Amino acid sequence: DAGITQSPRHKVTETGTPVTLRCHQTENHRYMYWYRQDPGHGLRLIHYSYGVKDTDKGEVSDGYSVSRSKTEDFLLTLESATSSQTSVYFCAISESTGYNYGYTFGSGTRLTVV
Amino acid sequence: GENVEQHPSTLSVQEGDSAVIKCTYSDSASNYFPWYKQELGKRPQLIIDIRSNVGEKKDQRIAVTLNKTAKHFSLHITETQPEDSAVYFCAAPDSSYKLIFGSGTRLLVRP
Repeated sequence: DAGITQSPRHKVTETGTPVTLRCHQTENHRYMYWYRQDPGHGLRLIHYSYGVKDTDKGEVSDGYSVSRSKTEDFLLTLESATSSQTSVYFCAISESTGYNYGYTFGSGTRLTVV
Repeated sequence: GENVEQHPSTLSVQEGDSAVIKCTYSDSASNYFPWYKQELGKRPQLIIDIRSNVGEKKDQRIAVTLNKTAKHFSLHITETQPEDSAVYFCAAPDSSYKLIFGSGTRLLVRP
C-alpha cells in the first residue's frame, strides 16, 4: 500500500513521557518528511531528511527530534510530550525535491497527549 | 520564506455545480504547484500538479490554472459529485524545495 507505513496508527500517552513515531518506506526514496495536521493549520513541516543522517528543522520543530540511520526509516521523537502536541502526524516521502515530484504520504498517526 | 494562502476554508456546492479553490504564494521563484485531496480519515493524495511553464492543466473533471504574474493558482472541479467531498490542499515549494501547504479547503457536495 503506497510503499510507506507509519506506526503506531493510534497512541495515547501521558504528558511528560517520551514518544517515538516510526515511518518506514520500501521505495528507496531519498527524501522523507514529518508533518503535523491540525484543524485550521493544514499540514505543517516538523523535520525533514535528505539522506541517511542528514536531517533539518521545519517550521514547527520545537519539542521534536528526528533520526534517520537507514534509508527506509525516519523516526520522530517527542522528547517530553505536551497536550499541544496532540495531533495527527503524517510522514511523506519523495523521490526528488518538491520541485518535480509530489509527495506520497503515509496513513498517519493519531497521537493524543493526556 | 514561502507563504501559501488558501481560500475559501469551506465550500458547499450542489451536486453537478462547479467548485473553485484558490491559492496564492509569495516566492516568485516557485515553479511547481501540486494539489492534494484528503478524504475523511485518510492520507492526503496527489490529484493534479502544474509546473510554471504551463498556464493550465486538465485531467477529466479537474483542472488547475496558474497565473505567475499574480502569483496565484486555482483548482477547478466541474460537474461535482458526492465523492468529491473532501479536504483539498494546495502547496508550493520553498527555496529549499520543501513543500509548504495551504491551510486546506473543506468541500462539501450536497446531493
